[in-house]
Amino acid sequence: QLQLQESGPGLVKPSETLSLICSVSGGSTSSSSYYWDWIRQPPGKGLEWIGTMYYSGSTYYNPSLKSRVSISVDTSRNQFSLSLTSVTAADTAVYYCARRITAASAYFDYWGQGTLVTVSS
Amino acid sequence: QSALTQPASVSGSPGQSITISCTGTSSDVGAYNYVSWYQQHPGKVPKLIIYDVGHRPSGVSYRFSGSKSGNTASLTISGLQAEDEAVYYCASYTSSRTYVVFGGGTILTVL
Repeated sequence: QLQLQESGPGLVKPSETLSLICSVSGGSTSSSSYYWDWIRQPPGKGLEWIGTMYYSGSTYYNPSLKSRVSISVDTSRNQFSLSLTSVTAADTAVYYCARRITAASAYFDYWGQGTLVTVSS
Repeated sequence: QSALTQPASVSGSPGQSITISCTGTSSDVGAYNYVSWYQQHPGKVPKLIIYDVGHRPSGVSYRFSGSKSGNTASLTISGLQAEDEAVYYCASYTSSRTYVVFGGGTILTVL
């Protein structure tokens, strides 16, 4: 059974960088069959797709965040990570990592439990 | 503003059927059969209930079904049960630079 687990600071100061890691167990981030994504959900609001990564290193990002976001994969540790720079209060959200089936899909079959990141001084 | 448009709320009585719409454009919902639906209970992780417009993952009740016509996808829940009360999100692959877009979510209330 695949499991994903997000980890990282729960509090980040404005203008600093938000960094999260998603640890994958029961499956491999080096699989050519899947994509690895980050999605976020501000408190009381809807879901927003952040970006995706393929094991080869290819990445695609939400244009609204593209200038500030970076996703990378460490296949040796079976992890992938999210970096979001210059954060503001608007970046306060629950951040989820998820597995997506193929490039052309919106089919997220496994999700992490989510981690709340609050941006505040 | 979300890329896909969903009604803010719908309601129904136990045993009834309800339909939630998800309207996109010719670049996303209308262009591909890659629409998914997610159910989210308060404080919980979104759960996939429909993928590729009308396919149900293993373990999801037959009461959930999906369809699409033009730029609008729909989720139908038949035989409403109290446990169906949740927020439902649609999502679609898109040829635009956004890659994946979500709807704003629909609150389902079981009366």
